[in-house]
Amino acid sequence: GEDVEQSLFLSVREGDSSVINCTYTDSSSTYLYWYKQEPGAGLQLLTYIFSNMDMKQDQRLTVLLNKKDKHLSLRIADTQTGDSAIYFCAESISDYKLSFGAGTTVTVRA
Amino acid sequence: EADIYQTPRYLVIGTGKKITLECSQTMGHDKMYWYQQDPGMELHLIHYSYGVNSTEKGDLSSESTVSRIRTEHFPLTLESARPSHTSQYLCASSANPSGTGMKREKLFFGSGTQLSVL
Repeated sequence: GEDVEQSLFLSVREGDSSVINCTYTDSSSTYLYWYKQEPGAGLQLLTYIFSNMDMKQDQRLTVLLNKKDKHLSLRIADTQTGDSAIYFCAESISDYKLSFGAGTTVTVRA
Repeated sequence: EADIYQTPRYLVIGTGKKITLECSQTMGHDKMYWYQQDPGMELHLIHYSYGVNSTEKGDLSSESTVSRIRTEHFPLTLESARPSHTSQYLCASSANPSGTGMKREKLFFGSGTQLSVL
C-alpha cells in the first residue's frame, strides 16, 4: 500500500518547538521528505532523510526516522510566525513517484 | 530557487469550456509531473513525463490530457471542464535520472493553478 498519514492540524505558541508526525507504509522507501506549503504557493522541499539514517538536523529542523515503526517526525525549534504553513510528509515509491500525506496545518500563535 | 512557473494562477470558467494550464521550467529537468490537490487531502499524481514525447497516467484517473513537445513545457488540457474538475493543480519537475534505482526525487513545485469551474 501507499498510505502516508499525518495529523491534520497543529497549534503551537511562538518560541515553542513544533513536532509534526507522519507514518508511512512502504518499507522499501529509500528517501522520505518534508515539504512546506505557504498560503497561495507551491510546495517547497524543506528537508529529506535517507532511510539508513535515524536523524538529520538542519538548523532549526530535526528529522527523526524510526524505520521499524515506519514513523517520521519533523521538529521545528523556536517556532516563528513564518513557520505557519501546511507541512507535507512524502515517501519515495518508485523512480518517478512520491506519495504524499494530506498535510499538517501548523498555526503559530503569539 | 526553483524556476518552475505555472499560469494562470487562478482561473474561473464555465462548464464545457476547453482550458489549458501552462507549466514551464527553466532548469532543464527531464521529468515533469502534474498533481491535483484538494484541501485537507493528499496530493494525487495525475500525469507525469520522463522527457520529450513521453507522457504517462498517474494514480488518480483524470479526464485531462498532457503533452511534452519540449523539455521545458508540460501543459495540461481539459477539453470540456466540469465542476468536478474544480481543484488546485500543481506542476513539478525533477532532475533525477530514471533507472538509477535510487528512488530519490527532489521535486520542485510551481505555485499552482487554482481552477474553479462553475
